[in-house]
Amino acid sequence: DAKTTQPNSMESNEEEPVHLPCNHSTISGTDYIHWYRQLPSQGPEYVIHGLTSNVNNRMASLAIAEDRKSSTLILHRATLRDAAVYYCILNNYGQNFVFGPGTRLSVLP
Amino acid sequence: DTAVSQTPKYLVTQMGNDKSIKCEQNLGHDTMYWYKQDSKKFLKIMFSYNNKELIINETVPNRFSPKSPDKAHLNLHINSLELGDSAVYFCASSHSFYEQYFGPGTRLTVT
Repeated sequence: DAKTTQPNSMESNEEEPVHLPCNHSTISGTDYIHWYRQLPSQGPEYVIHGLTSNVNNRMASLAIAEDRKSSTLILHRATLRDAAVYYCILNNYGQNFVFGPGTRLSVLP
Repeated sequence: DTAVSQTPKYLVTQMGNDKSIKCEQNLGHDTMYWYKQDSKKFLKIMFSYNNKELIINETVPNRFSPKSPDKAHLNLHINSLELGDSAVYFCASSHSFYEQYFGPGTRLTVT
């Protein structure tokens, strides 16, 4: 399975943008990049996913490097509710998700 | 309207007992999963079912047996519980391969 590397933790101030990086230098051409997050005492929830092009949805944006060896999840205005562990996952259609340790995001008021 | 529900939320039991965790989804999804999150917070897939058929069975002791009576339910039965089984167990379901919906989790404590 292709592996991802994320910082253990990050901090952000409320209402400021947050850029969460993920490195995946061994990504294969058919691997999708997925982001999930897990709020305290809850199950993970889907955030966004992409293959080659940048993606936007109501929750976040995903910026994918041209060589696809890294990506960045962008939260445009962090709120206290965005404090969670964010997981960057590579997945090829039909394979199981492999969750790493993720990045623990703290949002300061 | 709970999309993926699990019962019970908490389960405390003694070593050697047999217990079950139930999962139901009302999203009409074809695929359901069981994950285990240990004390270090690592989340690992255990099983995946598609249309009531087992499609993923990671390296899990055979004391763990999933059962899918229909597409909306995937229950997890655990025999001869051990201390190391203490964890939070999450059920999930999906229609597409990229978006899984997770339940709230069942915290299992084996004493």
